[in-house]
Amino acid sequence: QVQLVESGGGVVQPGGSLRLSCAASGFTFSSYGMHWVRQAPGKGLEWVAFIRHDASTQWYADSVKGRFTISRDNSKNTLYLQMNSLRPEDTAVHYCVKDTYDSSGKYYFDYWGQGTLVTVSS
Amino acid sequence: DIQMTQSPSTLSASVGDRVTITCRASQSISGYLAWYQQKPGKAPNLLIYKASSLQNGVPSRFSGSGSGTEFTLTISSLQPDDFATYYCQQYTTYWTFGQGTKVEIK
Repeated sequence: QVQLVESGGGVVQPGGSLRLSCAASGFTFSSYGMHWVRQAPGKGLEWVAFIRHDASTQWYADSVKGRFTISRDNSKNTLYLQMNSLRPEDTAVHYCVKDTYDSSGKYYFDYWGQGTLVTVSS
Repeated sequence: DIQMTQSPSTLSASVGDRVTITCRASQSISGYLAWYQQKPGKAPNLLIYKASSLQNGVPSRFSGSGSGTEFTLTISSLQPDDFATYYCQQYTTYWTFGQGTKVEIK
């Protein structure tokens, strides 16, 4: 069965950095696009970043562009999110998400990890 | 950017009720819409994709419909396990979620 296990969350001061990891298993990791989605405490879901199956393309939400970098190591079945210049508004549970495609070739999310909490506070 | 708006934000219902949640897109997204269920402290769970396709393992009391800019999620007979927050998501241009609809016990 598909498993996505995030790690690396914690408390960091404004302006600091953190790197999240997501260990994937139960599917052919190198065949699927992957995403990070976050949820601030008591709030809704916000898509953060996407990386193609072969790492050839990365897309970012405007709120994190230039500060966050998504990457992957297909030999280790692991997804990463490097978070720099962190702000209090980045405080959220960050989810690792696997995508799949429908009959039209459009990508939606089918499996989510349990999430890791990032708290940006002085 | 495509904005997604759900209504209502909160819905009070009883076990056995038929429940409908509406999701509107700020521009046409064809049928590229998914619905997710989230329970407190848990990750979201995919229910519906491509507006009306039921994800494997999801009970048939859940159904989706719509195209263009207006979509609905219907629960035909609300069960105790269905009290949760529901999110719609467009996936035609990047990915955007609605603000969520909390289904609570009446």
